Order: sequence, then C-alpha cells, then structure tokens
Amino acid sequence: RKEVEQDPGPFNVPEGATVAFNCTYSNSASQSFFWYRQDCRKEPKLLMSVYSSGNEDGRFTAQLNRASQYISLLIRDSKLSDSATYLCVVKGSGGFKTIFGAGTRLFVKA
Amino acid sequence: SQTIHQWPATLVQPVGSPLSLECTVEGTSNPNLYWYRQAAGRGLQLLFYSVGIGQISSEVPQNLSASRPQDRQFILSSKKLLLSDSGFYLCAWTTSIREGYGYTFGSGTRLTVV
Repeated sequence: RKEVEQDPGPFNVPEGATVAFNCTYSNSASQSFFWYRQDCRKEPKLLMSVYSSGNEDGRFTAQLNRASQYISLLIRDSKLSDSATYLCVVKGSGGFKTIFGAGTRLFVKA
Repeated sequence: SQTIHQWPATLVQPVGSPLSLECTVEGTSNPNLYWYRQAAGRGLQLLFYSVGIGQISSEVPQNLSASRPQDRQFILSSKKLLLSDSGFYLCAWTTSIREGYGYTFGSGTRLTVV
C-alpha cells in the first residue's frame, strides 16, 4: 500500500461544478496535512493546510479524518483557472519525512 | 519575506557530463532544505534533505550528491549524468522551528540528458 494515495484522475468538470478529491494515508503518526496545487510545468504551490476541525478558504474546503486516515478537498463553483494537478501532502513528526501523493489532475471546461 | 531561488531554469546536458544545480533561500535562518525530482507525469521523489550546514541525508541511492556549504545554500551535483537523470528538479525549504509549516518550492530546473 502506498503511503499516500489519491483518487486516480483526470477529473473533467464543467465550470461551476463542485468537485471533491480524496486522499488516504497509511502512517497513523502523521502530524500535518496539506493540499498543493501544481500547474503544468511549474512548481507545486501550497493551496491550504488541513486542520483537524476542517477549514475553508473561499471556494475551497479541506477536511481531515484522523480515525479513517483520510483527507479531502472540495472545490465549489469551479473556475477554468482551477485546472491543475492537486497534490495531497502528509508530513510526519519532526518535519523530515514528508510524503507527496502522485496528484489528481483536474480539467475545468467552459 | 522569504524567497527561494533556483537556477538554471532549463538545462540540456550530454550523458556523462557533470551537473551542478544551486538553490538559495532568503529571509530566513536555519531552514530545512530539500531536493526533489519529478519525472514526466509522475509524483515527487525526495532525493536529499538537510537540517543544517554540512548535514545531508540521502533518500535514494544514485549517482547524485548534495551539499550545503552555507546555511541558505543547497547544491545538487553529479559527476556523470545518466539518461535516467532527466526530470524536473525542485528545491524546497521549510522552517525548522514550527511544526505544521508547509514547503515552499523554487521554480525548478528542467533537466534533459541527451
């Protein structure tokens, strides 16, 4: 089993749609969780951290379920500019062992 | 504010040639530094990380090496490149002080070994 697994992609959605990405992790001792966005041929950029109580940033909502070792990202009212690859990131205690998921590709179409 | 610089942006090198990629961070002290590689259409592979000057940990045995001659400088090297070394190389930093702090990546070097 991979340490971090994400939904296989690509996701093709129309503008205005709501789309959800899921991610599971295998190490129950994981401490910090993030979602990154990577545009084609660019570096990954931090989209948002994921907190135990869940958190929202505009159209983006992240959820963490420690019992199920599951993270999610919800994008509401999708825009064309949301097209990118979304990476789930899990960080262990001490900060050195950080695992990046392989990413889920999202295409938002007009 | 903190910034991370990585160069060159693109590089085409023949097989067997040496490699040196440089990364510097500004606006912070004692960062944790990382080198990642991303093959085309693949996820990120951690190559090296460093928690201080001269301290390097290798995650994957290969013909690459890393050095940290100064607190905010991280260098990736190879004496002889292989075709399989082609990829997108990313330097990243994170704070060594706070837990729960994400990584910030440099803009990357796209290496093609021919």
